[in-house]
Amino acid sequence: QVQLVESGGGVVQPGGSLTLSCAASGFIFSSLGMHWIRQTPGKGPEWLAFIRYDGDFIYTADSVKGRFTISRDNSKDTLFLQMHSLRTEDTAVYYCANSIEGVTDDAFDTWGQGTMVTVSS
Amino acid sequence: SYDLAQPPSVSVSPGQTARITCSGDALAKQYAYWYRQKPGQAPVLVIYKFTQRPSGIPERFSGSRSGTTVTLTISGVQAEDEGDYYCQSADSAGTYVFGGGSKLTV
Repeated sequence: QVQLVESGGGVVQPGGSLTLSCAASGFIFSSLGMHWIRQTPGKGPEWLAFIRYDGDFIYTADSVKGRFTISRDNSKDTLFLQMHSLRTEDTAVYYCANSIEGVTDDAFDTWGQGTMVTVSS
Repeated sequence: SYDLAQPPSVSVSPGQTARITCSGDALAKQYAYWYRQKPGQAPVLVIYKFTQRPSGIPERFSGSRSGTTVTLTISGVQAEDEGDYYCQSADSAGTYVFGGGSKLTV
C-alpha cells in the first residue's frame, strides 16, 4: 500500500537550516504531484509547497517563499524540503502527502506520519 | 489568500447525524476536500471534490455544496468518528488553504 515516511526533523537554532526527506513506496512516485504540509500542535494544517510529478512546476506558500524549497528525486522515490533561515514560528510537525492519482493535484491523499521540527535557541 | 470558516465544535450523540459546515467565497469556484484527524495521527482524506468518497471511507460519510458553503455529513455517527475535521480548498494561483477545523465530539 501507499507509504510515505518523513525524516530529517530535529532541533535547530533560529537562523539555521534543515533538510527534510520523504521516502515513498507503494505507488509510482514519478507519476504523482507531492506536497509538504505542516501543523503546529493544537492548530490546523498549513500547506507549504507543491511539486508536479516531473518537478517542472512548483508552488510555494507566501509564508515560506524564499526560505523553503521543495524538490524531488524520482530515481530514488524521494521528496525533499530544504529549509533555511528558520524561525521559532517554523516549529511544527512536517508532513509530506501525495496528490490523488488520476483525479487532482489539489488535495492530499495519503500523508506520512510526520517529522517534528523544533526551532529553539 | 482566502479564508475557510468552520464551527469550532460539533457535538452529537451516537447514531445521530453530524453536519459540519465550511464557508468561503472560493468554494463557489473551487472544489472542497475534507480530512479527519485523530489525536497523534496524520489527517486522513474522507471526501474529495465536494462529494466523492475515497476507497475505505464508510458510506456514512457524505459531502455537499450549496453556493459558498460545503457540508460534511456523517450519518449514524459512531464513537470512532470523533476527531478534528478540516475542510480544504485551492485557488487558481496554486495555493491551498485549510479551514480552522471543527472538533467532533460523540
